[in-house]
Amino acid sequence: SQQGEEDPQALSIQEGENATMNCSYKTSINNLQWYRQNSGRGLVHLILIRSNEREKHSGRLRVTLDTSKKSSSLLITASRAADTASYFCATDAKRAGNMLTFGGGTRLMVKP
Amino acid sequence: EAGVAQSPRYKIIEKRQSVAFWCNPISGHATLYWYQQILGQGPKLLIQFQNNGVVDDSQLPKDRFSAERLKGVDSTLKIQPAKLEDSAVYLCASSLPGWPYNEQFFGPGTRLTVL
Repeated sequence: SQQGEEDPQALSIQEGENATMNCSYKTSINNLQWYRQNSGRGLVHLILIRSNEREKHSGRLRVTLDTSKKSSSLLITASRAADTASYFCATDAKRAGNMLTFGGGTRLMVKP
Repeated sequence: EAGVAQSPRYKIIEKRQSVAFWCNPISGHATLYWYQQILGQGPKLLIQFQNNGVVDDSQLPKDRFSAERLKGVDSTLKIQPAKLEDSAVYLCASSLPGWPYNEQFFGPGTRLTVL
């Protein structure tokens, strides 16, 4: 079973708009990561937020984490057509091994 | 720096046939992972190696799937015999040892189609 679930499953926006994707998970975590996957490619790590952090920024990306609600959000500001991809959250539960459990992903389409 | 290499990129087989996938992780990465990604879903961890030892294989269907990492570098994932539901992309990833904060680096994947 998947630990994280993304919402929405699909999102279509115009270039320049902001895109927000949400992730919910079930068990206590050490950290939460967001990955991007372009069609037919492997996953690329975007950002990691630790369980004791509430917000993190990286370029046009902003991630928030609310451990009380077991949820996270990824905001992409000023989106570009090149941001079109699937976005996955991944969590590692409080156990050894760095094992990640991925959600089902949000498919983002940015129209030029 | 070279990334995670996987081969083949695509494979089409008949059900009940056997297939093997190969992965070469980033140099120096002691931890190696195999994931199965079914179309429209997120990746699911099949097995994790630390050097040449198995850390977790709880989601590996051991009646048909096997994996090895001899010498703690390259790894091979085998399916024998394949079923229709094994059609998926098989992703290999690697990371430095150092739980719990290391990011994983993914290869391009092998797309398997079982007919």
